[in-house]
Amino acid sequence: DGGITQSPKYLFRKEGQNVTLSCEQNLNHDAMYWYRQDPGQGLRLIYYSQIVNDFQKGDIAEGYSVSREKKESFPLTVTSAQKNPTAFYLCASSLGQGFWETQYFGPGTRLLVL
Amino acid sequence: SQKIEQNSEALNIQEGKTATLTCNYTNYSPAYLQWYRQDPGRGPVFLLLIRENEKEKRKERLKVTFDTTLKQSLFHITASQPTDSATYLCALESFQKLVFGTGTRLLVSP
Repeated sequence: DGGITQSPKYLFRKEGQNVTLSCEQNLNHDAMYWYRQDPGQGLRLIYYSQIVNDFQKGDIAEGYSVSREKKESFPLTVTSAQKNPTAFYLCASSLGQGFWETQYFGPGTRLLVL
Repeated sequence: SQKIEQNSEALNIQEGKTATLTCNYTNYSPAYLQWYRQDPGRGPVFLLLIRENEKEKRKERLKVTFDTTLKQSLFHITASQPTDSATYLCALESFQKLVFGTGTRLLVSP
């Protein structure tokens, strides 16, 4: 079954802690994206990667970091510098590198602060 | 400033009627516009893409229009069913990113 998986479904972060959200795809897609969704706001782009070993900042990259060592994996780390991390995090991928490409989303990870 | 506006109030309709959702944008010139469906607690699912040179696109009970003069896209669901209840997001391509609206929640009652 092809698709995008995200884990965990729920994640709890303590003050000062870094946490990593997993995103894996077996669609053989080139590009991958991380979005954050808050109530009453549209999806906001955190980081994106159009090719292995390369990634670009989106609109709200501060307090986040990513890596793209393998085509199928694009983990997101929420660092202690992110002061308001509570949100629903969505990973997506697209076959090609253009932003008009259809994006396929994972099921999301909800991050909560203890 | 740049804006994408979708009606923040939920749209309530009866089963069998046509639902029409609006996406207006300001200070964008998108070559492409997409519509996605999102169910509570889940990731969005792609529905339709329309290009700036296409006036209308259809897929089964779904129809999308794209008016670059009015800077508006309309999304129609004909013969709506309770299973169509969800939030619908529009998204447009702009300078190396896909920009999403906040979405409109559709509620179809039996």
